[in-house]
This record gives sequence, C-alpha cells and structure tokens, in this order.
Amino acid sequence: AQSVTQLDSQVPVFEEAPVELRCNYSSSVSVYLFWYVQYPNQGLQLLLKYLSGSTLVKGINGFEAEFNKSQTSFHLRKPSVHISDTAEYFCALVENTGGFKTIFGAGTRLFVKA
Amino acid sequence: DVKVTQSSRYLVKRTGEKVFLECVQDMDHENMFWYRQDPGLGLRLIYFSYDVKMKEKGDIPEGYSVSREKKERFSLILESASTNQTSMYLCASSPASRAAEAFFGQGTRLTVV
Repeated sequence: AQSVTQLDSQVPVFEEAPVELRCNYSSSVSVYLFWYVQYPNQGLQLLLKYLSGSTLVKGINGFEAEFNKSQTSFHLRKPSVHISDTAEYFCALVENTGGFKTIFGAGTRLFVKA
Repeated sequence: DVKVTQSSRYLVKRTGEKVFLECVQDMDHENMFWYRQDPGLGLRLIYFSYDVKMKEKGDIPEGYSVSREKKERFSLILESASTNQTSMYLCASSPASRAAEAFFGQGTRLTVV
C-alpha cells in the first residue's frame, strides 16, 4: 500500500537560515507528489507539485522541492526562511493509476525563531 | 479562485447527537473529500466522492456517513457523536485529474462533550 513518511515532526530554525523538510514515500506505481502548507486556523494550500519532467520543482514563497526516484524522496527546501513561514507542512501523493485518493504524511511543524 | 466553504468553523455537540457537517465548492469539481486532522496523525481520509450520489470509503469511515445529492455539496454525517470524534474536519475538492491538487476549506473544529 502507498504511504508518505515525514521524517521530522517539528523543525525549529532561526530566521534567514536555510531549511529542509524531509519526505519519503512508498508506492508500487508512479505517483504525483505535492507539498501543502497550513497556517494556523486555516485549511491547506498548495505550495508546489511534481508531475513529471524536471526533478527540481519551484513553488510559491521561495520554496522548492527535489524529486528523487531512486531514494523515493521529495524533500522541501528554502534557502532563507522568514517568521511568516511558521506553519505546518504536509507532503502528499496521488497514484497516477486507479482512484483519486490523496495520501498525506503526518506533517512537519516548522517554527521560525527571530 | 476556487472556494471551498465549510458551514461552521467551530461546533460543540453532545455525545449521541447526530451531527451534520456541510461543504460546498464553487468550481464544478468532480471529486470531494472529507478528512479528519489530529495532531501527529496528519490528515486521514474518511470518505470521498467522485460523482453525484457516488461515495467511497476512505481509511477511517467507521462512525461516519456521507451524502452527495448535488455536485457542489458534500455532507459528512456523524450518526451518533462520540468524544473520540472530537477533531478538526477538513473538506476538499479537486477536478477529475490525478495531477490536480486538492482545494481545501477552512476546517471545522468539532468538540463532542
């Protein structure tokens, strides 16, 4: 069965430092991969997605992610974080065959400190 | 912009009550989903629907049912609310493409006392 594992439940980081949020997935078929962000008391919104082609994907707010098929990973990075990036981040996949279910990871809470 | 609207942001209900959570989307999306979100567990799929009157069980359907009589509306029903159903409930919709992202409502924080 497909699954998504986010390796860190919480990541504290100082403002203007780089950050990487790690995501590994498992699936027997090819997948589409997504990162969503959830600000406090809000729903989720899309940061970026990987469908095919270039393995480096750029998203909103200066975030990017790299798809690594051999390591089944899709890590999210930002070279310099801001206080406003404090939020919960979810990695997710949709298998490109069969149904339309999105499988989410457990989330990583990013704390940006001044 | 796609709008997914959940009828309540906060709800407090008593054990044993029948609870209705409503979700409406305005972008003619085929797919609609109900998730519950709990700390450390991420989002778990309760039910989803890919067409009017169609529904599929997700990973945790026990204690819930759904209704989709119109394309834009997807209702989650707690037949007899219990305290372990206290959670954040998120509705989402997406078009009929696996490459498309899901659009989420603001969430309903349900407390069962």
